[in-house]
Amino acid sequence: GAGVSQSPRYKVAKRGQDVALRCDPISGHVSLFWYQQALGQGPEFLTYFQNEAQLDKSGLPSDRFFAERPEGSVSTLKIQRTQQEDSAVYLCASSLVGSRSPSNNNEQFFGPGTRLTVL
Amino acid sequence: AQSVTQLGSHVSVSEGALVLLRCNYSSSVPPYLFWYVQYPNQGLQLLLKYTSAATLVKGINGFEAEFKKSETSFHLTKPSAHMSDAAEYFCAVSDRGDKIIFGKGTRLHILP
Repeated sequence: GAGVSQSPRYKVAKRGQDVALRCDPISGHVSLFWYQQALGQGPEFLTYFQNEAQLDKSGLPSDRFFAERPEGSVSTLKIQRTQQEDSAVYLCASSLVGSRSPSNNNEQFFGPGTRLTVL
Repeated sequence: AQSVTQLGSHVSVSEGALVLLRCNYSSSVPPYLFWYVQYPNQGLQLLLKYTSAATLVKGINGFEAEFKKSETSFHLTKPSAHMSDAAEYFCAVSDRGDKIIFGKGTRLHILP
């Protein structure tokens, strides 16, 4: 079966441009997460959806970052007026169930990421 | 606040030798703990996770980790390193099983 897919895999943007990064979670997965991984660092949490509801956006670094999941499946992370410090790999993950589930089915499955380079 | 500290950004071991990657965590509640592996240009893959069922957790590819509450540690081990184990390893913590806090990672090098 297909895993989490992300597109584009690579994106080069000029400073000030807007970008949109797409995540296709595993079919039927309830939860979707976005993480940002700077070069040489571990991933850092950005935001989390359960179905179409954005339950936690505490990790979004500024109001230039916006994420949506309007139909509870595909998600888009949008970055407006990109800056050089936005250069990173953006990882998407999905899990079968929501948080606080007593089952083991809340394992997060990660996509390959989108490498964003802002010049 | 939760946090994870991985000791050593680079670790080198000889093929066939013991692998030991160190991780200490901080959490105000009983945590979920994870080890992930990342190969170049690939996504993160879960090696193993601790969810309070057993303190010694066995994962894929021969890896295991032991949860030690008194030491707030969750070190990753493998008895015999293989060349294919060369990758970046991340220790991570979550208090509710949703948002995951990752360490900075340890790059494992395997020497022939």
